[in-house]
Amino acid sequence: AQKVTQAQTEISVVEKEDVTLDCVYETRDTTYYLFWYKQPPSGELVFLIRRNSFDEQNEISGRYSWNFQKSTSSFNFTITASQVVDSAVYFCALSEGAAGGFKTIFGAGTRLFVKA
Amino acid sequence: DAGVIQSPRHEVTEMGQEVTLRCKPISGHNSLFWYRQTMMRGLELLIYFNNNVPIDDSGMPEDRFSAKMPNASFSTLKIQPSEPRDSAVYFCASTMTALNTEAFFGQGTRLTVV
Repeated sequence: AQKVTQAQTEISVVEKEDVTLDCVYETRDTTYYLFWYKQPPSGELVFLIRRNSFDEQNEISGRYSWNFQKSTSSFNFTITASQVVDSAVYFCALSEGAAGGFKTIFGAGTRLFVKA
Repeated sequence: DAGVIQSPRHEVTEMGQEVTLRCKPISGHNSLFWYRQTMMRGLELLIYFNNNVPIDDSGMPEDRFSAKMPNASFSTLKIQPSEPRDSAVYFCASTMTALNTEAFFGQGTRLTVV
């Protein structure tokens, strides 16, 4: 069954600390995509990154980096030198093929508080 | 493009009343998703459409919930009768039908049932 687990409900850090948000997924498909979204206090959901199941290269974008490991079914997200503006709820999502199209499900989210 | 448009942004209704949430997807997108967000359960997929056809409604919590997509530019999520436990933020998202495309979300409708 398709499932995304974000075990960390809330994380609180002090500005400039590094923080890693965990994401573990389950799927029976060999072809799938993983995503991270950010939901700031304003409420909208903002796409951050996608990764396909055949590309395990880690990715870095500024202070953000993602570590995809198929062996552990994990797609973790690290923020380096966190800032107050990083405070948000972060969602990991999994997209896999389904009858008639595809289906994207989300983890429960991790709420990140970055204190000044 | 204006993005995914949801209306209303906020809805307060009394228990037992019918509630209709509306969504206009991005033009050209042929997949549409309805999600519900609560503190307890996070972001849950309720139903999704592909080319206006409901594909999977296994996430719809009860028969009180129904969704339609009469055409490519409009979808509704209806709750009848509404209950306090339906209070949540309801998001609509659209995307091209492809595994690798990210979903574009509307700003959500915050529903409060009193």
